[in-house]
Amino acid sequence: AQTIHQWPVAEIKAVGSPLSLGCTIKGKSSPNLYWYWQATGGTLQQLFYSITVGQVESVVQLNLSASRPKDDQFILSTEKLLLSHSGFYLCAWSLNRNQDTQYFGPGTRLLVL
Amino acid sequence: GDSVTQTEGPVTLSEGTSLTVNCSYETKQYPTLFWYVQYPGEGPQLLFKVPKANEKGSNRGFEATYNKEATSFHLQKASVQESDSAVYYCALSVNYGNEKITFGAGTKLTIKP
Repeated sequence: AQTIHQWPVAEIKAVGSPLSLGCTIKGKSSPNLYWYWQATGGTLQQLFYSITVGQVESVVQLNLSASRPKDDQFILSTEKLLLSHSGFYLCAWSLNRNQDTQYFGPGTRLLVL
Repeated sequence: GDSVTQTEGPVTLSEGTSLTVNCSYETKQYPTLFWYVQYPGEGPQLLFKVPKANEKGSNRGFEATYNKEATSFHLQKASVQESDSAVYYCALSVNYGNEKITFGAGTKLTIKP
């Protein structure tokens, strides 16, 4: 069975500080990977997607970047946090098929002060 | 671009009553339609999906029909339970080469015992 793990579970960070969030998928080789952001009480906004190692596409610009250093790992980061970065960050995976279901991880809650 | 509009929440119902959450979508392509459910503090999980027009999806007593003519995908359940309390998201996926899922704003459902 596939498992998706995100770290950390929660973070409180200062404005202007760097950030790195991680996501690991086990039990599935060469998945499509995604990052989403969700404001408190808000909908899900897709940020990035990746279909293979080393290749990441941006969907929206939020002063964030993403990388896929290994087949099963997806990293979201920024060098300088903004207040608007607060929210719930979700990693998801899907099979490499058109319009297939995306499976979400447990999320990381970020509060920027 | 693609869009999804669903019943504004919050919605509060008594246990045993019926539920309808409206969902309308706009796209110029041929989407797969999804209903996701999100419990507090967790990532969304798939309730069911329907890839073809005029077909019905169902799971856990919930159902929805992909109505291509009306561009609708309303979620229904005949008799809700307290454990159905969650946020429900209607979503569509169109393959533009980036496997983008467009989510509705979400409908927060609270079931009173």
